[in-house]
Amino acid sequence: DTEVTQTPKHLVMGMTNKKSLKCEQHMGHRAMYWYKQKAKKPPELMFVYSYEKLSINESVPSRFSPECPNSSLLNLHLHALQPEDSALYLCASTRSSQGIGETQYFGPGTRLLVL
Amino acid sequence: AQTVTQSQPEMSVQEAETVTLSCTYDTSESDYYLFWYKQPPSRQMILVIRQEAYKQQNATENRFSVNFQKAAKSFSLKISDSQLGDAAMYFCAYRNYGGSQGNLIFGKGTKLSVKP
Repeated sequence: DTEVTQTPKHLVMGMTNKKSLKCEQHMGHRAMYWYKQKAKKPPELMFVYSYEKLSINESVPSRFSPECPNSSLLNLHLHALQPEDSALYLCASTRSSQGIGETQYFGPGTRLLVL
Repeated sequence: AQTVTQSQPEMSVQEAETVTLSCTYDTSESDYYLFWYKQPPSRQMILVIRQEAYKQQNATENRFSVNFQKAAKSFSLKISDSQLGDAAMYFCAYRNYGGSQGNLIFGKGTKLSVKP
């Protein structure tokens, strides 16, 4: 089973709202990733968690706050977003944190619209 | 820094025909991995094929095969017997061997259309 699940599939929020995106995998993977993807562009890495600890933050604004409660779950908390944050948010995971050629398995994404 | 270039923003192929998508990359590393991901309108990024740089043999997965030319830093994807379900955005990606987590570097993508 190489499934990564993400909820919700779609999200519309105002600039003053607080919302959360959820990502889950039950493959025993120890590294999880958040990407942001604008239309017709490749994914851009936002955060990497390795063994439930934040290991990479690609200079993402603080209005995005990641959280990894356990090895299977990754959240992205959203607060005071801007319209330009509207995008597809993808979650991915890899088996090990060393990332030695590990294949990243992606979830289906959450389509976010900020009004 | 490593870069990945896909020079064909869009490609079109007739159903049952063969199409080749181009990808070149730049790196000073000798050990790395290359991937082709497919992203259909459903949005999910799906791994199509992967190649280890230390392997001379080109990777194949059913109708999908690559032409890996390490010296030329080229990694093209050939799709044989194209099917309507192959229509998608295709991303070429690079990853260092043992590099820091997350450094999967994507090209800008090639949108493939399949004509019935």
